[in-house]
Amino acid sequence: DVKVTQSSRYLVKRTGEKVFLECVQDMDHENMFWYRQDPGLGLRLIYFSYDVKMKEKGDIPEGYSVSREKKERFSLILESASTNQTSMYLCASSSPGRREYDNEQFFGPGTRLTVL
Amino acid sequence: QKEVEQDPGPLSVPEGAIVSLNCTYSNSAFQYFMWYRQYSRKGPELLMYTYSSGNKEDGRFTAQVDKSSKYISLFIRDSQPSDSATYLCAMSSGGGNKLTFGTGTQLKVEL
Repeated sequence: DVKVTQSSRYLVKRTGEKVFLECVQDMDHENMFWYRQDPGLGLRLIYFSYDVKMKEKGDIPEGYSVSREKKERFSLILESASTNQTSMYLCASSSPGRREYDNEQFFGPGTRLTVL
Repeated sequence: QKEVEQDPGPLSVPEGAIVSLNCTYSNSAFQYFMWYRQYSRKGPELLMYTYSSGNKEDGRFTAQVDKSSKYISLFIRDSQPSDSATYLCAMSSGGGNKLTFGTGTQLKVEL
């Protein structure tokens, strides 16, 4: 089974802190994604990556950066956390063309980040 | 206007009811349509997957896609308390695996 793990389930940080959220997948997937999920707004794509060291902006990249140094690991960085970044953060991975369900994304359990 | 519209609910039904969940969309390039189920404090999991128009059935679940109306539906027959979750529609135009999600509909099936 595909497994996507995220480093923390719950995280509390203070305004201005630098925050790292880590995501690891164990199925050799090429694509990895970071979303945030907020009530009434659904899942919004922050950044995604098609390959090691490659990244592309999603719909709401402002205030975030990412790093993908290894294929299995995709990190989301909040350079200076702000209260409006309090949210649920979900990581996902996928592999184009290998599965019956192309475009299927596999999600981690999420990290609930609170910025005080 | 959002690319994908979904009624957030909450929707509360008695056990055994037929549930209908819907999404509308505006991007005619969407070809792949999915329904994800998300239990509380968990990540979404793929429930149903449909390519282009038509119906797909899997046990108590049926997914319908009407591309001419830009409308997709998920039907749940004989609903169970274990179906209580948030249901998210998602769609893609293909290449790149980018998905566009609806906001999700919260469903509660009561005994």
